[in-house]
Amino acid sequence: KAGVTQTPRYLIKTRGQQVTLSCSPISGHRSVSWYQQTPGQGLQFLFEYFSETQRNKGNFPGRFSGRQFSNSRSEMNVSTLELGDSALYLCASSLGPARGEKLFFGSGTQLSVL
Amino acid sequence: AQSVTQLDSQVPVFEEAPVELRCNYSSSVSVYLFWYVQYPNQGLQLLLKYLSGSTLVKGINGFEAEFNKSQTSFHLRKPSVHISDTAEYFCAVSDWDNAGNMLTFGGGTRLMVKP
Repeated sequence: KAGVTQTPRYLIKTRGQQVTLSCSPISGHRSVSWYQQTPGQGLQFLFEYFSETQRNKGNFPGRFSGRQFSNSRSEMNVSTLELGDSALYLCASSLGPARGEKLFFGSGTQLSVL
Repeated sequence: AQSVTQLDSQVPVFEEAPVELRCNYSSSVSVYLFWYVQYPNQGLQLLLKYLSGSTLVKGINGFEAEFNKSQTSFHLRKPSVHISDTAEYFCAVSDWDNAGNMLTFGGGTRLMVKP
């Protein structure tokens, strides 16, 4: 069974641009979460989707948004990029949104903002 | 709100020696506890989790962790490490009240196994 797939693997953007990252969960998984990983702030929760509905949202500005499609694939969008948005963005999937579920992580998208 | 503190940012250890990676958490409600491992240029992989029941939890690759409610700790141990265990380890919690899988992570501990 294929794992969680994130595309693209690397991305370079300039300040002010916007970016869209994609995540394909493991087949059969219906819950998708996004995390931002930086050396300074560590791993921080962005949002979680289940059945195309956002269930939880982390403490990030409105420039960060996401959505989930009917096939469970998810995208996240960052508008008006800032230098501080440079990070590894990780997507994780699970069977459902039940508490304590095992999360399966993708290898991430490394975003560099110049 | 909860928080997770991993007391050591780096832990160097010789191969075949035992290791303990420390994790303390703070929460006003009951929590689920997790340890994840991240190898270079990869995502995170679940090592083990504590949901309820026995406080000693066994995971993959010979790791185990013990939940101590009075000390709000969930330390990770391995009796004999291998070079291949070199990676970053993250402790995480999710609270019972949260309807979903939102995790709060600690800052990570880099385990460096030396030959």
